[in-house]
Amino acid sequence: EVQLVESGGGLVQPGGSLRLSCAASGFTFSSYGMNWVRQAPGKGLEWVSYISSSSSTIYYADSVKGRFTISRDNAKNSLYLQMNGLRAEDTAVYYCAREWYSGGWAQNGYWGQGTLVTVSS
Amino acid sequence: QSALTQPASVSGSPGQSITISCTGTSSDVGGYKYVSWYQQHPDKAPKLMIYDVSNRPSGVSNRFSGSKSGNTASLTISGLQAEDEADYFCSSYTSSSTLVFGGGTKLTVL
Repeated sequence: EVQLVESGGGLVQPGGSLRLSCAASGFTFSSYGMNWVRQAPGKGLEWVSYISSSSSTIYYADSVKGRFTISRDNAKNSLYLQMNGLRAEDTAVYYCAREWYSGGWAQNGYWGQGTLVTVSS
Repeated sequence: QSALTQPASVSGSPGQSITISCTGTSSDVGGYKYVSWYQQHPDKAPKLMIYDVSNRPSGVSNRFSGSKSGNTASLTISGLQAEDEADYFCSSYTSSSTLVFGGGTKLTVL
């Protein structure tokens, strides 16, 4: 069974930093690209970033480019999101998600339960 | 990248069919097969219902179907059931190598 478990969320002041982690199990992690998707309270889904299976390809949404860094450690079956320069508008539940099929990164077939990031003073 | 356009809400009675539209541009929905639909119940993670415009993952009811015409994709749910009440989001790959979601549609089963 595919499982994705996020951690690392919490309350942080504006301008602060936070590192999210996503532990993957139940599939060959090194074979699939991964995404971070967020959802502000009561709002819709917003794609944040993508990383390919080998980390060779990385994309970011304009809203986080230059502030967030996605990475992965295939030996540890883990995905990360380093978030710097946090703003109030970054407050959201952050989901890690696995592409549905290898190469089809824009379609996410498996999602974690999410971790809440709150940016407030 | 602007969000794809979905109706804010739709409703239907049990047994009826409803269709949710998702309008983009030739740079996203109209230009690629990578259109998908997600169902989200309150306080739950999204669930993939349709991928590649019209394909259903195993385990998803055949009451759910997807299609696309030009820059507009559609999700149809036939034989509405109470458990279908949820938020539905479409998404598409874009020419800028990004992923864009629709604003979401709240489905109410009357």
